[in-house]
Amino acid sequence: AQKITQTQPGMFVQEKEAVTLDCTYDTSDQSYGLFWYKQPSSGEMIFLIYQGSYDEQNATEGRYSLNFQKARKSANLVISASQLGDSAMYFCAMREGGLTGGGNKLTFGTGTQLKVEL
Amino acid sequence: EAQVTQNPRYLITVTGKKLTVTCSQNMNHEYMSWYRQDPGLGLRQIYYSMNVEVTDKGDVPEGYKVSRKEKRNFPLILESPSPNQTSLYFCASSFGQRTTEAFFGQGTRLTVV
Repeated sequence: AQKITQTQPGMFVQEKEAVTLDCTYDTSDQSYGLFWYKQPSSGEMIFLIYQGSYDEQNATEGRYSLNFQKARKSANLVISASQLGDSAMYFCAMREGGLTGGGNKLTFGTGTQLKVEL
Repeated sequence: EAQVTQNPRYLITVTGKKLTVTCSQNMNHEYMSWYRQDPGLGLRQIYYSMNVEVTDKGDVPEGYKVSRKEKRNFPLILESPSPNQTSLYFCASSFGQRTTEAFFGQGTRLTVV
């Protein structure tokens, strides 16, 4: 079974509007972390936001917020007031708990390609 | 500036010719990993290291080697590259267990012909 599922291969949004990128996850661990990364066409991986499984509040970082619904095992990324520079591939990832955790291994989804239009 | 540096950024090589992709971090991080990114598959962990001389296999280790002789460096070695190792490679580092952030290098785009 997929541990991280991103069901939207591609999304379009108009500039200045908000957009939600979906992510669901599967784990039996109680302690885990959820990450979102942005990958522009230049290829680098840019960290956006983190949510811990025990965090009671949804994480926010500037225009990014994470809509964390633990019971539904979803961790959707919300980008407010989209800008042209937000056009990129977005990856959801999970770090599971355990003693070693695979060296802080991140398990990634397949990504959502976001295109912001004028 | 805190960073993870990979070299080279781009590499085209021939089947069977040994190559090394270097990775260095300046944050004194204990944990380092190598990932490969392939279309439709996201990123998958190749190898990881939790400290000097401590390395272990990730999800897709076949055809790769690593070493961790110094804390800052974690090179990825392809002893006999094959075309199915054509991919985008990332080195990542993080501090301590259950990290809240992982820093990635700029990526190395490898083509094996």
